Amino acid sequence: DQQVKQNSPSLSVQEGRISILNCDYTNSMFDYFLWYKKYPAEGPTFLISISSIKDKNEDGRFTVFLNKSAKHLSLHIVPSQPGDSAVYFCAASADKLIFGTGTRLQVFP
Amino acid sequence: GAVVSQHPSRVICKSGTSVKIECRSLDFQATTMFWYRQFPKKSLMLMATSNEGSKATYEQGVEKDKFLINHASLTLSTLTVTSAHPEDSSFYICSARDGSGLAGGWGEQFFGPGTRLTVL
Repeated sequence: DQQVKQNSPSLSVQEGRISILNCDYTNSMFDYFLWYKKYPAEGPTFLISISSIKDKNEDGRFTVFLNKSAKHLSLHIVPSQPGDSAVYFCAASADKLIFGTGTRLQVFP
Repeated sequence: GAVVSQHPSRVICKSGTSVKIECRSLDFQATTMFWYRQFPKKSLMLMATSNEGSKATYEQGVEKDKFLINHASLTLSTLTVTSAHPEDSSFYICSARDGSGLAGGWGEQFFGPGTRLTVL
């Protein structure tokens, strides 16, 4: 049972535009959500997180939105840059981290 | 930021041998370390959670006797894949949680760069 889902395996966005990556979860006990960026053959790098008591957290070009009633979170990257091209994992935690399957973002010039 | 290292980064071994992977937190004390396995085009799957000085907690379906985990100090955890077989070939990633930094009551994990294991 996949408790954290990223339904889009890939996303292609033009440089300068907004990238929106989506994530859905099923477990209402999750109280903390994180986004990670991963390059091939490397470990994930933490990007941004949000607590379940908030609905928005912003850090530079990255903003995470949480909609608890819909059990949905999204990561917005504005403006997108070619260096943002990577696989993005969302993760949710209660007592341990559960990862989504990832979305490969490609930012083209 | 916090740094976690893994060694080796890549290992190739013959079937039936054992392989040890080290995970170190370089600039913080990791009260808890996690071991993940990533299959191609799939998510990171948690294998086990290890707390310093105690036995690891394994996820359902992970063989304790095959994947031996030791967390002997606050900066080092090891994963030993015993009697490795080709199906054990995978990308293994460790992470460490800084017990002093709690955000949202849980804290962030810092990941190592991963170890690519290939069993021939």
